[in-house]
Amino acid sequence: SQQGEEDPQALSIQEGENATMNCSYKTSINNLQWYRQNSGRGLVHLILIRSNEREKHSGRLRVTLDTSKKSSSLLITASRAADTASYFCATANTGTASKLTFGTGTRLQVTL
Amino acid sequence: EAGVAQSPRYKIIEKRQSVAFWCNPISGHATLYWYQQILGQGPKLLIQFQNNGVVDDSQLPKDRFSAERLKGVDSTLKIQPAKLEDSAVYLCASSPPGLTDTQYFGPGTRLTVL
Repeated sequence: SQQGEEDPQALSIQEGENATMNCSYKTSINNLQWYRQNSGRGLVHLILIRSNEREKHSGRLRVTLDTSKKSSSLLITASRAADTASYFCATANTGTASKLTFGTGTRLQVTL
Repeated sequence: EAGVAQSPRYKIIEKRQSVAFWCNPISGHATLYWYQQILGQGPKLLIQFQNNGVVDDSQLPKDRFSAERLKGVDSTLKIQPAKLEDSAVYLCASSPPGLTDTQYFGPGTRLTVL
């Protein structure tokens, strides 16, 4: 079963704009991760945020985590055409830290 | 460093036929995962190995799916017999010992069952 639900399901923006994707989950987590999947390819790990962290940055990526609301957001700043991909959140639940449960994904389209 | 290798990349079979997928994880990675990703959905874990032992296969349909990881390195996932609903991308991933937070994914095998 899917743990996370991403919102929106699809997002279309122009190059240079910021993109924000949200993820909600249901159970207590050890950590939450974001992955990118280009069409026809495998998933690439972007960033991990632990349950005791509230915000994390990596290059143009900013992730927030609100455990009280069981939600996370991924912000991509100054988007590029190469950011076009599907983005998935994945949760590692308390007690089964190596087992990831993926959400349904957000399809991001960045146009020139 | 070479990534996770999978073969074949694409496979088309008819229902009730058998199919096998192969995965070679990153060298030294003790943990290996097989996921099923149906079109429009996120990946779903089928089975997790730690070395050559099964850690979690709770979501593996054991009446038709089987997986093995001999010698704790390569792994094969088999479907016998295949059903239409098995059409999906099968992803293999691996994690280094002691660092199972991050998984490294292969390119996947796209299976179409006609």
